[in-house]
Amino acid sequence: QSVLTQPPSVSAAPGQKVTISCSGSSSNIGNNYVSWYQQLPGTAPKLLIYEYYKRPSGTPDRFSGSTSGTSATLVITGLQTGDEADYYCGTWDSSLSAWVFGGGTKLAVL
Amino acid sequence: QLQLQESGPGLVKPSETLSLTCTVSGGSISSSSYYWGWIRQSPGKGLEWIASIHQSGSTYTNPSLRSRVTISVDTSKNQFSLKLSSVTAADTAVYYCARLSRTSGTYNYWGQGTLVTVSS
Repeated sequence: QSVLTQPPSVSAAPGQKVTISCSGSSSNIGNNYVSWYQQLPGTAPKLLIYEYYKRPSGTPDRFSGSTSGTSATLVITGLQTGDEADYYCGTWDSSLSAWVFGGGTKLAVL
Repeated sequence: QLQLQESGPGLVKPSETLSLTCTVSGGSISSSSYYWGWIRQSPGKGLEWIASIHQSGSTYTNPSLRSRVTISVDTSKNQFSLKLSSVTAADTAVYYCARLSRTSGTYNYWGQGTLVTVSS
């Protein structure tokens, strides 16, 4: 099992909002930047959010990130069918001296 | 625009060593601002970080793979490489190389990935 815990799947209708959680500990999320990655089917992961909430150029503002204590959250509003993908959180774990990813969350836009 | 491209054999026999190279173009691997890493994804599974290296030679390796992993950098060729020894079928995966920003702790550029199958 992953050091970071994500729900295996989430779903919502087009136009709606979805929240994806990423739960960790003080050795990772609690003290290190969190980033989020979007992996569309059959493609490489792509950076979506970095430093908890910042969006790289190209990430629509429908995607937002936040953090509270040892948890991080990705929120997607105005869902589109093109958002169907796997989403991963990631961060450095200071205790393990290792980069860690969440197990991934599959988003279905029904 | 920075680009990363993985290369190496797509088929490796059990117990042998998997060797991959990532060629970086559009930027210098010698920049002190970045680490360069390997991440893999087994079929139908999530992302697993393998190792990262800085141009200075500083490395970090996944504790679960440490005994089998060697990561190296060749600044003259703008490349970095991964060797994974004693492979088994469990090492079958798509292997990605990526650039890690030291300041933001973010993998902000990824290669397209290369599938490595371990089979006799």
